[in-house]
Amino acid sequence: DGGITQSPKYLFRKEGQNVTLSCEQNLNHDAMYWYRQDPGQGLRLIYYSQIVNDFQKGDIAEGYSVSREKKESFPLTVTSAQKNPTAFYLCASTFRSRLNEQFFGPGTRLTVL
Amino acid sequence: GENVEQHPSTLSVQEGDSAVIKCTYSDSASNYFPWYKQELGKGPQLIIDIRSNVGEKKDQRIAVTLNKTAKHFSLHITETQPEDSAVYFCAAESGTASKLTFGTGTRLQVTL
Repeated sequence: DGGITQSPKYLFRKEGQNVTLSCEQNLNHDAMYWYRQDPGQGLRLIYYSQIVNDFQKGDIAEGYSVSREKKESFPLTVTSAQKNPTAFYLCASTFRSRLNEQFFGPGTRLTVL
Repeated sequence: GENVEQHPSTLSVQEGDSAVIKCTYSDSASNYFPWYKQELGKGPQLIIDIRSNVGEKKDQRIAVTLNKTAKHFSLHITETQPEDSAVYFCAAESGTASKLTFGTGTRLQVTL
């Protein structure tokens, strides 16, 4: 099966803890993205990566970090510096050339207790 | 940067009626405008997209229109069915990194 997988589906974290969300794709896509979704605010871009070992900040990168050591993987770490981390996190990928469909994973719902 | 506004935020229609969702964008350099459907607890799925070199695109009951001069684009769903009930997002691609800026979403409810 080709696609994007995110794990876990639900994640609970205590305040002050870092947590890493997984995103894997087997579509041979070059570019990968992380979005945050809050009610009534649509999807907002956190980080994106167009090639391995390179990534750029999106609109709301503060309190988050990423790595892109492999083409297939783009993990997102939510650090304790993120003031309001409870949200639905979505990973997406696409081919590097423009005007291509972004495929989304099923998402991870993070709740900070 | 790009700013995308979407209206309405909620829309209720009777089964069989049409639904129209409208979006405006700010960056005149944007060239790609996808529409996504998101069901509860799932990731968004592309339902239709349009590129700036065309004014309209249809796929069965779904159509999208684009007015580049006015910088707005719309989603039209005809003969709505209960399974069309979901949240719909418009987006516009800006810059050189396939970055999408999303609207705030429209919750469509199709009633029997």
